[in-house]
Amino acid sequence: DAKTTQPPSMDCAEGRAANLPCNHSTISGNEYVYWYRQIHSQGPQYIIHGLKNNETNEMASLIITEDRKSSTLILPHATLRDTAVYYCIVRVKLGNEKLTFGTGTRLTIIP
Amino acid sequence: GAVVSQHPSRVICKSGTSVKIECRSLDFQATTMFWYRQFPKQSLMLMATSNEGSKATYEQGVEKDKFLINHASLTLSTLTVTSAHPEDSSFYICSGGQGNTEAFFGQGTRLTVV
Repeated sequence: DAKTTQPPSMDCAEGRAANLPCNHSTISGNEYVYWYRQIHSQGPQYIIHGLKNNETNEMASLIITEDRKSSTLILPHATLRDTAVYYCIVRVKLGNEKLTFGTGTRLTIIP
Repeated sequence: GAVVSQHPSRVICKSGTSVKIECRSLDFQATTMFWYRQFPKQSLMLMATSNEGSKATYEQGVEKDKFLINHASLTLSTLTVTSAHPEDSSFYICSGGQGNTEAFFGQGTRLTVV
């Protein structure tokens, strides 16, 4: 699976959009971009995933660049409960597979 | 979405004793589950893959005789930390899924060995 690079930490004001970048310049054509988050002392939570098109669900939007070498996770209206570590993971298969977690981005939502 | 339940959420044990952690899939059958470990301020590291009805597959550097995994049914995988020592204190997390559904994670177990 391709490696990813994320900033170690970010702050965002409550109510604003949080934009979390991820670089995956070595991504292969059949690899998906996944985002998970981990709130303190809990198991990771799936957020969203995509292959090449932008995706949106009730939690977030995922913007993937045309060359697929980077992506951005957008939390449109961040709340204090969005404070967590966000992991960008690139992997080949869909479904129940083992995941390789990087160091992620620690997002802090500021009141 | 699918639910994975992990128990206990927190356990304190004495050095030299064994601790069993349970991971249950509540609304699906999981032929494969994964066990991760997370030390403070670090990321999750895969320990082993638990396979229903067969032996678990361990990642390099993980002692299979120390971390016993049993996956005797399609809804239950257990991780037993044998002869626990303070350096085994960590946050243990399981995950599972079904078919093309996304992998779902348990709530995690905070193990403290004193």
